[in-house]
Amino acid sequence: QKEVEQNSGPLSVPEGAIASLNCTYSDRGSQSFFWYRQYSGKSPELIMFIYSNGDKEDGRFTAQLNKASQYVSLLIRDSQPSDSATYLCAVKSQGGSEKLVFGKGTKLTVNP
Amino acid sequence: KAGVTQTPRYLIKTRGQQVTLSCSPISGHRSVSWYQQTPGQGLQFLFEYFSETQRNKGNFPGRFSGRQFSNSRSEMNVSTLELGDSALYLCASSRETGSNYGYTFGSGTRLTVV
Repeated sequence: QKEVEQNSGPLSVPEGAIASLNCTYSDRGSQSFFWYRQYSGKSPELIMFIYSNGDKEDGRFTAQLNKASQYVSLLIRDSQPSDSATYLCAVKSQGGSEKLVFGKGTKLTVNP
Repeated sequence: KAGVTQTPRYLIKTRGQQVTLSCSPISGHRSVSWYQQTPGQGLQFLFEYFSETQRNKGNFPGRFSGRQFSNSRSEMNVSTLELGDSALYLCASSRETGSNYGYTFGSGTRLTVV
């Protein structure tokens, strides 16, 4: 069973701090990695994807991937109260399928 | 550019009934996938369609089925509803199968089985 594990949280950080969200995956054949943000009562929204080892930055968000360690993380710099949401890590395996395996999410609260 | 459209937004059904949910992908997106989201299990993959063909299926009973039409719109059907089928059903589309760009999700259909 291919699994994606996330710290269930909740994770609470003060406004302006760096929030660090972590994810590990079991399938070494995993090819692409995604971070989705889901506000309460809303559908998931893609915020970043990464498929090469290393860091990928987009504004206040940085995704980090280490395939050898089967680990992917998301850093949110200068956290804002509007970042309060559940963050879902998703992994896609090799092949043509679009199937994503999701972690159960980490709930982040940014306190003003 | 219109997003992924799911209808209806909310449904209340009785055990034993069947239900059909609809999904219209983003224009030009040919891959449509369905997920079930519950508080206990999180997001679980149901199935994926590309060019009217089911490419992959998750570990759900045969009561869950789907199809895709030539215009890429998709429907999923759940027969003989059970209380445990109460969930948020999400449809997502992507440009093409095998892409690295991820999905765009619709707003979902909240199904309640009573």
